[in-house]
Amino acid sequence: AQTVTQSQPEMSVQEAETVTLSCTYDTSESDYYLFWYKQPPSRQMILVIRQEAYKQQNATENRFSVNFQKAAKSFSLKISDSQLGDAAMYFCAYSGGGADGLTFGKGTHLIIQP
Amino acid sequence: DAGVIQSPRHEVTEMGQEVTLRCKPISGHNSLFWYRQTMMRGLELLIYFNNNVPIDDSGMPEDRFSAKMPNASFSTLKIQPSEPRDSAVYFCASSPRRGEADTQYFGPGTRLTVL
Repeated sequence: AQTVTQSQPEMSVQEAETVTLSCTYDTSESDYYLFWYKQPPSRQMILVIRQEAYKQQNATENRFSVNFQKAAKSFSLKISDSQLGDAAMYFCAYSGGGADGLTFGKGTHLIIQP
Repeated sequence: DAGVIQSPRHEVTEMGQEVTLRCKPISGHNSLFWYRQTMMRGLELLIYFNNNVPIDDSGMPEDRFSAKMPNASFSTLKIQPSEPRDSAVYFCASSPRRGEADTQYFGPGTRLTVL
């Protein structure tokens, strides 16, 4: 079974600085997908970024980028120029190539200090 | 386009009562997923459907839980009888197609409290 591990229960960063959230996963599959979801206090799950395992290029979405290390099974999220609105729970998630359900990590609570 | 719609947003019930949670996926999406979120266990997949057919229900905790998808625009998750340990936020999500892991779009969730 696949597992996703987020080793940082909580992170804090000053507004406008850069923060990196860690995620590792375990799988025996070669084709899979990785996601970062954001959950603000409203509890709505919002997709931040996704990465296909067959793509070597790291995904980017504006201030959000990932560092995908397939051999190390690592998938970290970098948030540049942190804003107060980035404060939320961030979940790393894995999906196999067959479009099965998502396996989530336990989440990282990101605090933005003004 | 409207997103995934879930109802009710909040449900408070007493132990032993039947609870029905409802979900309307995004129009045109072929796959629908039910998740549960608790502090202890985090986010867990309960069941998912593809083209209205249940594909994997191995995450359903026990026989008290059942899910149906009678048509492409509606799904229910039923708990009968409910227990206090069922208290959680239940999310429904949909995605456009199976065959590749397309992005799942989540509803706002239903917060269930069983007294």
